[in-house]
Amino acid sequence: AQSVAQPEDQVNVAEGNPLTVKCTYSVSGNPYLFWYVQYPNRGLQFLLKYITGDNLVKGSYGFEAEFNKSQTSFHLKKPSALVSDSALYFCAVRDADSNYQLIWGAGTKLIIKP
Amino acid sequence: SAVISQKPSRDICQRGTSLTIQCQVDSQVTMMFWYRQQPGQSLTLIATANQGSEATYESGFVIDKFPISRPNLTFSTLTVSNMSPEDSSIYLCSLKGGGETQYFGPGTRLLVL
Repeated sequence: AQSVAQPEDQVNVAEGNPLTVKCTYSVSGNPYLFWYVQYPNRGLQFLLKYITGDNLVKGSYGFEAEFNKSQTSFHLKKPSALVSDSALYFCAVRDADSNYQLIWGAGTKLIIKP
Repeated sequence: SAVISQKPSRDICQRGTSLTIQCQVDSQVTMMFWYRQQPGQSLTLIATANQGSEATYESGFVIDKFPISRPNLTFSTLTVSNMSPEDSSIYLCSLKGGGETQYFGPGTRLLVL
């Protein structure tokens, strides 16, 4: 069965430290992978995606993610966290049986402490 | 990317009433989607709305409860009918943009008392 897992409900990081938000997936065929961020009382904002090409993908607000096929992972990273990065982060993968449906992770709450 | 707006941004409704949520896009799009995000949960797709055809509903969602209109390529509405407290959620519209990416509106926060 196709699925996306975000194993951490919450990640706490001190401001200025590097951050990682984990995502693993299980999907048949080549995965299309996405990261979205949801700030309090806001909709979802697209951060970055991997479809093909370079395994290291750069996105908005200084975020990047690394596609690792052997580990079926697509972890979100940032070298130096800001307090303003505190938000809810969702990983998603396109359903291989659909040309548009996304399978969503449960979300990870990222808290950056000053 | 397209600019997506939703109305209302939030509402408090009484049990048994209905609320219609509007989604407006500043460019023409073929595929639009409606999602529900229950408190503390991830997103659940309610239906896909293509202009000129009936909406396609996901398992667990029915047209009588969530009627959808898609009168043109820039607009869609979702109605939450005969509401109960379990319908309290954030309702989000999205569109399929280029490169397989979905873009989301700001959401409508619904509280049913």
